[in-house]
Amino acid sequence: GAGVSQSPSNKVTEKGKDVELRCDPISGHTALYWYRQSLGQGLEFLIYFQGNSAPDKSGLPSDRFSAERTGGSVSTLTIQRTQQEDSAVYLCASSLAPVRSGRAQETQYFGPGTRLLVL
Amino acid sequence: AQSVTQLDSHVSVSEGTPVLLRCNYSSSYSPSLFWYVQHPNKGLQLLLKYTSAATLVKGINGFEAEFKKSETSFHLTKPSAHMSDAAEYFCVVTGRGGATNKLIFGTGTLLAVQP
Repeated sequence: GAGVSQSPSNKVTEKGKDVELRCDPISGHTALYWYRQSLGQGLEFLIYFQGNSAPDKSGLPSDRFSAERTGGSVSTLTIQRTQQEDSAVYLCASSLAPVRSGRAQETQYFGPGTRLLVL
Repeated sequence: AQSVTQLDSHVSVSEGTPVLLRCNYSSSYSPSLFWYVQHPNKGLQLLLKYTSAATLVKGINGFEAEFKKSETSFHLTKPSAHMSDAAEYFCVVTGRGGATNKLIFGTGTLLAVQP
């Protein structure tokens, strides 16, 4: 079946503009994650959604970053007033279910990413 | 807190020779451990995962990893490297029992395969 898809694949924007990045998870996956991959910082967790629960936003680097997940499926990551240090590849992943005590770890499947360049 | 350390940022091997990519972990929980691979301009692909079943885990493309609790290691190996194995490899940990299930990535090891 279809994997995780992300759009756009590339985005170039000017400093100070807002950007929206989209993620379509694998159908039926209840858990959705955003990560960022940048030079010097490696791969870092941003935010996690699970069903109707409150998202875990502990990885968001500043209040300029926000994310939504509508209807338990598609997610949008928004970066307001972009800065040059926001330039990175933004990766989305989904998994069938979150971890539960005693249950085997669910595999996260990654999309191809959105490469963001802030000029 | 959970973390992983990949001991080599770059590894270069000749085609047909063994591959060893080293990873040590630190975890407050009984960890789940993964290796992901990222080929140039492609997404992350799961190679294998350890979730407290067999300590020797076999993955795709002939890779395997052994969980050694006494050494807190989860090294990735392959008996014979192929040119197509050239990529960046990430060792990843997550703790069970937590609510988030976020992955914590190592800094990556870039594997070069020489003809």
